[in-house]
Amino acid sequence: QQQVKQSPQSLIVQKGGISIINCAYENTAFDYFPWYQQFPGKGPALLIAIRPDVSEKKEGRFTISFNKSAKQFSLHIMDSQPGDSATYFCAASSDTGNQFYFGTGTSLTVIP
Amino acid sequence: SAVISQKPSRDICQRGTSLTIQCQVDSQVTMMFWYRQQPGQSLTLIATANQGSEATYESGFVIDKFPISRPNLTFSTLTVSNMSPEDSSIYLCSVRAPYTDTQYFGPGTRLTVL
Repeated sequence: QQQVKQSPQSLIVQKGGISIINCAYENTAFDYFPWYQQFPGKGPALLIAIRPDVSEKKEGRFTISFNKSAKQFSLHIMDSQPGDSATYFCAASSDTGNQFYFGTGTSLTVIP
Repeated sequence: SAVISQKPSRDICQRGTSLTIQCQVDSQVTMMFWYRQQPGQSLTLIATANQGSEATYESGFVIDKFPISRPNLTFSTLTVSNMSPEDSSIYLCSVRAPYTDTQYFGPGTRLTVL
């Protein structure tokens, strides 16, 4: 059973556009929601994370929007650049458990 | 954050052999995790390794196939035993650094079994 559902599977965006990746979860015990960026041949790297006490978190061009009632969160990449081309994974965890549950990943391609 | 290194970075192995992957962290951590990532797929947790106790394996993974050692707070090994082509994958070490919420990943070990 997939604890975190992620969409779309792949995404193509023009340079300068906005990339949006969505995730949904069911377990209301989840209270930490990170996003990871992975380039080919590399391990996933933490990009940005949010806790459910806020509805939005912004770091540079990257923003997480969080809707607790809908149990959904999304990553927005503003002014997308070719260097953002990578696979993005959302994840969720709870304080009571140390396991991270990952989404299935989104392959983002930003075309010049 | 935590800086994690893995050895080897990649290997090509014959069916029926075993490979031990090493994971070294630059700081002491309580919890270390081993993941498998098949090509184009998400991350699947194999086991959680705490120092001084037996590793905890997730459903579908067993100690005989993936024995893990955790001799101290900065080091762990994962062995992939009696390999078959289905074991071809990227194996990732991860840690939950102290006083943080997140997991940090190593660069991965790309394993190909012929």
